[in-house]
Amino acid sequence: EVQLVESGGGLVQPGGSLRLSCAASGFTFSTSWMHWVRQAPGKGLVWVSRINTDESSTSYADSVKGRFTISRDNAKNTLYLQMNSLRAEDTAVYYCARNLADWGQGTLVTVSS
Amino acid sequence: QTVVTQEPSLTVSPGGTVTLTCASSTGAVTSGYSPNWFQQRPGQAPRALIYSTSNKHSWTPARFSGSLLGGKAALTLSGVQPEDEAEYYCLLYYGGAWVFGGGTKLTVL
Repeated sequence: EVQLVESGGGLVQPGGSLRLSCAASGFTFSTSWMHWVRQAPGKGLVWVSRINTDESSTSYADSVKGRFTISRDNAKNTLYLQMNSLRAEDTAVYYCARNLADWGQGTLVTVSS
Repeated sequence: QTVVTQEPSLTVSPGGTVTLTCASSTGAVTSGYSPNWFQQRPGQAPRALIYSTSNKHSWTPARFSGSLLGGKAALTLSGVQPEDEAEYYCLLYYGGAWVFGGGTKLTVL
């Protein structure tokens, strides 16, 4: 059974940093493209970032480009999202997804003073 | 700024048929945009339904189908069930980046 478990969310002040993790199991992580998607409270889904299997290719939404960095550790079956220079508008539940097919339950990030 | 547009809300009767659409501000949606569709019930994570325009996941009920219709991506539900009441999102690929539509709230009444 595919399992994706996000962690690392919490309350952070504007301008601060946070690193999210997504622990994967039940499939061959090293051969799967992975995504981060977020959802602000009461709002729609927003695609954030994507990484290919060996980290040689990444892409980002314009709203996070230059502030967020996606990465992965295939030995640990874990996906990461390093978030810097956080803003109030980054407040959301962050989901990781495998090939946009399988999704985790999300982790809440709140940016507030 | 690329915008993907969906109907904000639709209502359908149980057993009926409804089509949700997904338009791109850049022009006609083609298979190259690799349309995906997702269902999200309140308080739950999204669930993938359709990928690459019309392909179903192993868990996608047969009553869901994807297509291209009049320059848009489309999701058709035939024989709607009460449990289909949910928010539905389309997702389009723009050469490296993906953009979600704003979602369609489907009410089964």
